[in-house]
Amino acid sequence: EADIYQTPRYLVIGTGKKITLECSQTMGHDKMYWYQQDPGMELHLIHYSYGVNSTEKGDLSSESTVSRIRTEHFPLTLESARPSHTSQYLCASSGRWNTEAFFGQGTRLTVV
Amino acid sequence: AQSVTQPDIHITVSEGASLELRCNYSYGATPYLFWYVQSPGQGLQLLLKYFSGDTLVQGIKGFEAEFKRSQSSFNLRKPSVHWSDAAEYFCAVARGDSSYKLIFGSGTRLLVRP
Repeated sequence: EADIYQTPRYLVIGTGKKITLECSQTMGHDKMYWYQQDPGMELHLIHYSYGVNSTEKGDLSSESTVSRIRTEHFPLTLESARPSHTSQYLCASSGRWNTEAFFGQGTRLTVV
Repeated sequence: AQSVTQPDIHITVSEGASLELRCNYSYGATPYLFWYVQSPGQGLQLLLKYFSGDTLVQGIKGFEAEFKRSQSSFNLRKPSVHWSDAAEYFCAVARGDSSYKLIFGSGTRLLVRP
C-alpha cells in the first residue's frame, strides 16, 4: 500500500498569499516528485528530487520552489499565489531501483 | 527526450464490452512503461508496469498490456469492462537509468455505458 500523504486536500487562498503544500512519505523512498495537473488534463512534472539536498526543476516551468531537508518530506512553496496557480498538485515518490511511483491524493489549489 | 502519446482523448464503451487504450512512446532505448488510473479528485493508482521480459504484462482489476517494440506501443486492454472502470487512464514512460523521470501522456477518459 502507498504511504504518501499530501495536505491540505483542498485550499482556497487569496492572491499574494504565501502557501506551502506538504508531502510526506513513510516508505524511505529516495526519489520524490511534484506534478501539476489542470482539470481533465495531463500531468506535468514541475520538480523532482533524488535525495536529501537534491532538487531539480521539471519539464514545466513553475514559480514554485521545493526543498528536501529530510528523506520523507518534500514541501512545495509558492511565495505569492496568483490565480494562474490554480490547479491540482500531485506528489509522488519512488524507490532506489526505479520501481513504480506512488502518488498522494493531491492538493487542489484555488487562488482567488 | 522521451515522450508519450495517447491518441484517444475520450473512449466510450458499453459495460461488458472489451477495451483497448492506445499508448505510443518515444525513447531511444527500452523504457520502463506504466499504466495508471485516476478516479475523479483522486491521485493515481498503478495498474501495471513493464520493465523487461515477457511483453504481455498482467495488472490489477483484470487489465493487461502488451509491449510492442517494433511499434513503440504499450496498449492497455481489458476483455470485459465494468461500470467502475470509468476513470482517466494515463500511460507513462521512464528512462531505465538512474535519472528516472516519469513522463505522462495526456490521458484517455473512459466512459462506460450501462
